[in-house]
Amino acid sequence: GAVVSQHPSWVICKSGTSVKIECRSLDFQATTMFWYRQFPKQSLMLMATSNEGSKATYEQGVEKDKFLINHASLTLSTLTVTSAHPEDSSFYICSASQASGTDTQYFGPGTRLTVL
Amino acid sequence: AQSVTQLGSHVSVSEGALVLLRCNYSSSVPPYLFWYVQYPNQGLQLLLKYTSAATLVKGINGFEAEFKKSETSFHLTKPSAHMSDAAEYFCAVKGVQGGKLIFGQGTELSVKP
Repeated sequence: GAVVSQHPSWVICKSGTSVKIECRSLDFQATTMFWYRQFPKQSLMLMATSNEGSKATYEQGVEKDKFLINHASLTLSTLTVTSAHPEDSSFYICSASQASGTDTQYFGPGTRLTVL
Repeated sequence: AQSVTQLGSHVSVSEGALVLLRCNYSSSVPPYLFWYVQYPNQGLQLLLKYTSAATLVKGINGFEAEFKKSETSFHLTKPSAHMSDAAEYFCAVKGVQGGKLIFGQGTELSVKP
């Protein structure tokens, strides 16, 4: 149980284009979903927290107009990187929990984004 | 504010040897603590978690961790390392009132044959 999927697993795009990454909880309803970014050989950096039906809460320094997050249902959240640039290249990981607060986060397999 | 420190960015052990990955936390009250494992180019997999029940927590793949309040530690151990244990390990802390999951810097475990 508690499986989270991400799609695509990797994507290459041209500078200036937008890329959408999907995060799905396959066998549970995720009240809260999280989006992280991870640079090589580094820890995870939380970008934003989203609750179903509400606007996402972004961490300090994360541009909300560049990283659009939608959590339209209890099983799906999307991250859209708008007007991507090479510096946006990274490994993006989502996680989901069944409730806010103390519940355990289950992580997706990650999406490798390369912007040319 | 809560924080997590993992001592040693890289640990190398021989196959069959004891694995010990260190994690110390800073929190005003005993928090929830987690260990995750990450294989190359993959997401994080939950190994085990402490949520104020038993202080010795057993997880998957033969790993266990002991919560020691007096030492503010939550070290991860495995009696006998296997080649497949080679990966990046993250310790994380979360407040009992909720809030963000705060990750340590990670420890890369290498297992030599």
